[in-house]
Amino acid sequence: DAGVIQSPRHEVTEMGQEVTLRCKPISGHDYLFWYRQTMMRGLELLIYFNNNVPIDDSGMPEDRFSAKMPNASFSTLKIQPSEPRDSAVYFCASSFSPSGTSYEQYFGPGTRLTVT
Amino acid sequence: AQSVAQPEDQVNVAEGNPLTVKCTYSVSGNPYLFWYVQYPNRGLQFLLKYITGDNLVKGSYGFEAEFNKSQTSFHLKKPSALVSDSALYFCAVRGGFQKLVFGTGTRLLVSP
Repeated sequence: DAGVIQSPRHEVTEMGQEVTLRCKPISGHDYLFWYRQTMMRGLELLIYFNNNVPIDDSGMPEDRFSAKMPNASFSTLKIQPSEPRDSAVYFCASSFSPSGTSYEQYFGPGTRLTVT
Repeated sequence: AQSVAQPEDQVNVAEGNPLTVKCTYSVSGNPYLFWYVQYPNRGLQFLLKYITGDNLVKGSYGFEAEFNKSQTSFHLKKPSALVSDSALYFCAVRGGFQKLVFGTGTRLLVSP
């Protein structure tokens, strides 16, 4: 099993540009999570999906952030326009919890985003 | 709101000595508690969880955690530390349906 795959691993962009982060969850998993990690705020849950449907996006910082999951094997997190304060490591995680009781999440390696 | 606190930013221990990384929790209802580890430039990895049952939970890589309801604690332990255990450790609690709320993390440094 390849685990959760994220791309790109590193992204450097200029303020105002659109940024798209990609995630491929573990095959068969029914939950997908997007997190952001910074030194100041720690690990924050941005949004999560169940069977491709967004369940809770209360952690999305503002309208500049959007996430989609068009199918069970792919999700994107988009920032438009990007700002320097968006610089962080963004993690995607997935889990298999058909009964809703697992809570064991598998994390990807992360995308380190730098906005200059 | 559900939350966990990790009171130590860093824990230093010599290789071969026992280690403890502390975590306390605040929840309404029964706690679901977790420990994750993060190695440099990697995502978090699941170590162990407490849902119900025995207060001593065994996990990956020789780690275990002790659930203490009266002290609202869930400390991570290992009898004999390895240099390779040096990493960032996160305690987490169920924060809602399928949501985890993570602590701020504790850096463990094991010296040779």
